[in-house]
Amino acid sequence: GENVEQHPSTLSVQEGDSAVIKCTYSDSASNYFPWYKQELGKRPQLIIDIRSNVGEKKDQRIAVTLNKTAKHFSLHITETQPEDSAVYFCAADASGYSTLTFGKGTMLLVSP
Amino acid sequence: NAGVMQNPRHLVRRRGQEARLRCSPMKGHSHVYWYRQLPEEGLKFMVYLQKENIIDESGMPKERFSAEFPKEGPSILRIQQVVRGDSAAYFCASSPQQGQGATEQYFGPGTRLTVT
Repeated sequence: GENVEQHPSTLSVQEGDSAVIKCTYSDSASNYFPWYKQELGKRPQLIIDIRSNVGEKKDQRIAVTLNKTAKHFSLHITETQPEDSAVYFCAADASGYSTLTFGKGTMLLVSP
Repeated sequence: NAGVMQNPRHLVRRRGQEARLRCSPMKGHSHVYWYRQLPEEGLKFMVYLQKENIIDESGMPKERFSAEFPKEGPSILRIQQVVRGDSAAYFCASSPQQGQGATEQYFGPGTRLTVT
């Protein structure tokens, strides 16, 4: 089955800096890669996703890149703000019907 | 448009009791997924259901766990004879009708199960 590795497990940055979180996946059949943000005690919230026919996608301060050959994808957050502090999860879908395999998460802490 | 609803939000059960977790998908969504999240870990897929059908239960333990999504009413995740290792947050997610390939999933607030 699919296996998703996520790094780093924790990331501390100063407000205004950029943050990058990286994930690798094992199943070359995976074709959908969402990113979720989870605040403490809250539900995971979809923040951006990318499909395998696209190499990069941006939404304001958030961007995701995908390298299918290397089987890795990354989340980029620019101009970080304290409210960006949360746990971020990457995921991959090899099933074709959205049964997601998640990474173990990255705790992002943005200090004012 | 109400989001995905789950109840109860918190559930305490003693070892050996049964736990029933409910999930109502977003309006217009006909696909439900259940995930389990252990403390400080990612979410693990358990089961994927459509109305009256289990599509993929490859992530669900073979014993004590079952799931259903009846024609009317919420999806139910049932855990019989709970053990301490079942303590976790259980999230359900829903997505709209599938077209070609995967679609976005939206998560409910979760049920935090504690087994004492």
